[in-house]
Amino acid sequence: NAGVMQNPRHLVRRRGQEARLRCSPMKGHSHVYWYRQLPEEGLKFMVYLQKENIIDESGMPKERFSAEFPKEGPSILRIQQVVRGDSAAYFCASSPATGANYGYTFGSGTRLTVV
Amino acid sequence: TQLLEQSPQFLSIQEGENLTVYCNSSSVFSSLQWYRQEPGEGPVLLVTVVTGGEVKKLKRLTFQFGDARKDSSLHITAAQPGDTGLYLCAGETSGSRLTFGEGTQLTVNP
Repeated sequence: NAGVMQNPRHLVRRRGQEARLRCSPMKGHSHVYWYRQLPEEGLKFMVYLQKENIIDESGMPKERFSAEFPKEGPSILRIQQVVRGDSAAYFCASSPATGANYGYTFGSGTRLTVV
Repeated sequence: TQLLEQSPQFLSIQEGENLTVYCNSSSVFSSLQWYRQEPGEGPVLLVTVVTGGEVKKLKRLTFQFGDARKDSSLHITAAQPGDTGLYLCAGETSGSRLTFGEGTQLTVNP
């Protein structure tokens, strides 16, 4: 069984470009979460999605950031017009359902560097 | 805003010693999870505690959830170099959103 797959593992973008981060959840998992880990900081919640629906985006910056989880294909975290402060590790997690009895499985992350 | 404070932030000990990592908050969580993260990788779930006062053991690791479900501890007995890593606690609230602590970087020296 493949775990949560994130790609690319490393992404370098120039200021002003767009960054697209992909996340394929574990098989059978319909709940996807995105977290950001800034250098020297802990993981911060960004967004929670189910298939075709955004459930909670309270952690997403108001501008330039968007996320989707289409009916078919991976979840996408999109950052438009990247700035140096967007440089961070972005982690995706998935679960089969909500509730404490269902563990979260994290991917290996995408390390975004904005130059 | 819910905050989880982890202590200590850094811990360097000798092989065979015992240690405890603490995770404290003023908020009540529906569950508390502990993760371990290796450099360049995502967090890996170690355990989930749900009930106030709950104690779970995983080999040499003992996890405890406070009675009021606001705090938790991780105790490692006879630490080994393979235990070296970043340990993270995370509290879950309704809505399946995790609030992470800043982490404890543990180094176990041979």
